[in-house]
Amino acid sequence: EVQLVESGGGLVQPGGSLRLSCAASGLTVSSRYMAWVRQAPGKGLEWVCALFSSGDTYYTDSVKARFTISRDRSKNALYLQMNSLRAEDTAVYFCASQLVVGVTTYNWFDSWGQGTLVTVSS
Amino acid sequence: DIVLTQSPATLSLSPGERATLSCRASQGVSSYLGWYQQKPGQAPRLLIYDASNRAAGIPDRFSGSGSGTDFTLTISSLEPEDFAVYYCQQRRSWPLTFGGGTKVGIK
Repeated sequence: EVQLVESGGGLVQPGGSLRLSCAASGLTVSSRYMAWVRQAPGKGLEWVCALFSSGDTYYTDSVKARFTISRDRSKNALYLQMNSLRAEDTAVYFCASQLVVGVTTYNWFDSWGQGTLVTVSS
Repeated sequence: DIVLTQSPATLSLSPGERATLSCRASQGVSSYLGWYQQKPGQAPRLLIYDASNRAAGIPDRFSGSGSGTDFTLTISSLEPEDFAVYYCQQRRSWPLTFGGGTKVGIK
């Protein structure tokens, strides 16, 4: 059974930094397409960034040059380094991994963590 | 960026009724459209991928249709556990985008 557990959220001042972690079990992070998706309080879902097994990364424009997605093979974990945080980055951050049906992979997110709340405020 | 517009924003229905949710894309996304269900305090759950394929464990009362710019999620007969918010998402091009959501509430 796949399990994703996020941690690292909390209260940070504008301009500050935070690193989120997503510990995975039941899957190998380095061989999956994975992503971070966020949800501001009372709002909808917003894709933040993605990391392919190849190492290719993609970011939404609003976080480019501020956020970095990465992984650690030895820890089987996904990370999100967030710098220069702004009030509008306040959200629950979910990590998600791709759908696998048999031996076929699909670039849809079918496994999600429970989320970790990041609050950017002075 | 591809904008996904979901309608209606809110749907008030009774258990046993049919729910029809719409997602319209600002440009064609072929069949690269998925649907998620989210309940309060929970992570999203993938229901439909590639416009019409049900994810594992999803009851057959959920069905998806459409291609190009117009998509529909249909719940044939609402069960109590189906009252939730539903989001569409496209993966045709970067950035990935979600619709604003449709809340299916109890009438």
